[in-house]
Amino acid sequence: NAGVTQTPKFQVLKTGQSMTLQCAQDMNHNSMYWYRQDPGMGLRLIYYSASEGTTDKGEVPNGYNVSRLNKREFSLRLESAAPSQTSVYFCASRRTSGRANEQFFGPGTRLTVL
Amino acid sequence: QQQVKQSPQSLIVQKGGISIINCAYENTAFDYFPWYQQFPGKGPALLIAIRPDVSEKKEGRFTISFNKSAKQFSLHIMDSQPGDSATYFCAASNFGGYKLSFGAGTTVTVRA
Repeated sequence: NAGVTQTPKFQVLKTGQSMTLQCAQDMNHNSMYWYRQDPGMGLRLIYYSASEGTTDKGEVPNGYNVSRLNKREFSLRLESAAPSQTSVYFCASRRTSGRANEQFFGPGTRLTVL
Repeated sequence: QQQVKQSPQSLIVQKGGISIINCAYENTAFDYFPWYQQFPGKGPALLIAIRPDVSEKKEGRFTISFNKSAKQFSLHIMDSQPGDSATYFCAASNFGGYKLSFGAGTTVTVRA
């Protein structure tokens, strides 16, 4: 099992450009999440999807959109990138059996907006 | 506004020493308190978690202490090793981990 995979690993954008961050999991999890990590701020939830076909806003959703394409894939889109969106983005998925309610994280995408 | 406050921001400990990281929360509806460990360039990974019906949970050299009345919990790393050097995040959620609120993180450096 690959677990949670994210593409790309690194990206540099200019202000105003758009891009989509891709995430896929092969663990048959229902719930998926997008976080951003900034120094001194911990991880902040952007959007989440409790199950295929549903998405909800998290703590910092402004400037982002998401698509839960199917049970495996959850993408994050920046329509018009801003320097404030420079961050490391993590996708996660969650299981609800075994080691109770663990979220599994991908390796992250480091995004720089100039 | 962060729902979980974590301290210290960083700490340095000698090999074999004890590392202690503290977290505090306000939301009494929280019922699940995990700690995540993150190595540079990697995603966070679950280290240990506790529910509020117990005051302590131990897994190997890692122990969570939980004080429900004070709304505080802490991570103790006993016999710290250089391989424990990482960033540690506390978190809290209600509904058993469905949506996590993370602390700001503590960078632990273990000196050999």
